[in-house]
Amino acid sequence: SQKIEQNSEALNIQEGKTATLTCNYTNYSPAYLQWYRQDPGRGPVFLLLIRENEKEKRKERLKVTFDTTLKQSLFHITASQPADSATYLCALAVSYGNNRLAFGKGNQVVVIP
Amino acid sequence: NAGVTQTPKFQVLKTGQSMTLQCAQDMNHNSMYWYRQDPGMGLRLIYYSASEGTTDKGEVPNGYNVSRLNKREFSLRLESAAPSQTSVYFCASSEDTTDLSYEQYFGPGTRLTVT
Repeated sequence: SQKIEQNSEALNIQEGKTATLTCNYTNYSPAYLQWYRQDPGRGPVFLLLIRENEKEKRKERLKVTFDTTLKQSLFHITASQPADSATYLCALAVSYGNNRLAFGKGNQVVVIP
Repeated sequence: NAGVTQTPKFQVLKTGQSMTLQCAQDMNHNSMYWYRQDPGMGLRLIYYSASEGTTDKGEVPNGYNVSRLNKREFSLRLESAAPSQTSVYFCASSEDTTDLSYEQYFGPGTRLTVT
């Protein structure tokens, strides 16, 4: 069966350190993968997209990698700040020809001042 | 530019009652989506609409109907609410279905409780 796995345990990290989150998937062949941020009581907000032919993408303090052989994406927040505390969701393109996404359950990050 | 708006923000229904969740976007997007989010389950797609006049089932469509009223509006109807439909419902939109790389813009959500 198809699965998208993100760590269910919250990641507690000291301010200034790099937070690294993992998204593993099985029985998908996504053309691209997206990462979203969700704050409590709010809708997800898009952060980054990486395509299957891209190894790495950066945006400010965020970096995403995509390894289609390992079926894994890593999401890094460098120089983390308390304002980065949120839940981060990975989402995979389900199929070609439409923009349907399948979401992971999310991984909470808590940045400790 | 309000983005994606949803009404109501909160709703309590009794089992068997019906209601419609409203969603509108002002970004001229072709595609619109309805998701539900439950603790431990993540976001699951209920229905989506690739363009005005078309709708398709997602992962969990049972118990729901949708209407793409026009390009801006996409409503979700619960005909006979059940406690299993207690959830937070999110509407989203994106620019184009055929391009695989457009991000989705989400509304603030509707928190629905069915007793």
